[in-house]
Amino acid sequence: SQQGEEDPQALSIQEGENATMNCSYKTSINNLQWYRQNSGRGLVHLILIRSNEREKHSGRLRVTLDTSKKSSSLLITASRAADTASYFCATDGAGRRALTFGSGTRLQVQP
Amino acid sequence: DAGVIQSPRHEVTEMGQEVTLRCKPISGHNSLFWYRQTMMRGLELLIYFNNNVPIDDSGMPEDRFSAKMPNASFSTLKIQPSEPRDSAVYFCASSFGLAVSYEQYFGPGTRLTVT
Repeated sequence: SQQGEEDPQALSIQEGENATMNCSYKTSINNLQWYRQNSGRGLVHLILIRSNEREKHSGRLRVTLDTSKKSSSLLITASRAADTASYFCATDGAGRRALTFGSGTRLQVQP
Repeated sequence: DAGVIQSPRHEVTEMGQEVTLRCKPISGHNSLFWYRQTMMRGLELLIYFNNNVPIDDSGMPEDRFSAKMPNASFSTLKIQPSEPRDSAVYFCASSFGLAVSYEQYFGPGTRLTVT
């Protein structure tokens, strides 16, 4: 089973609105990463948050981590049509030394 | 740097044929990962290497799949014989280290269709 599970599976918003995606995981982690995948392309790293961090910002991105609830959220503020993509969380843990990716959230930003 | 390079970008083959996918990681990266992505199963880690040595191949679906990394700048993923259920997009990724605190850089992928 997936270590990370994102919800919602799909999200459609209007340009300028904020988009929030959530990730839940099962076992304890050292780090959690978020990636973006545009249609037909490879994944691109967005941000990494460590297990001892609670919040991190990068431009219009805000990531939170709640290790007690084993969950993370990715907030994209003032969304743009170019933010249309799938977003994945990736975690370590579950006895593996490599990242395990969730199933992703498909974000559609309507212009 | 050109990023992670994969070839071919598209491959269409008939069931039973041998398929070889190629990857050139980013220069200076010492970890390389092979993933498979399908609608049904999402993104699956197949195998990863550190300093050209396979570390974990538990994600390789069966013996028909094999991967090699003869040097720091080249890796192959081979499927022999191929089956229709192997149809997927195969990604190669590299990173500076194996620790999960390092970000991974993905190639553009190889879309494999087995008929």
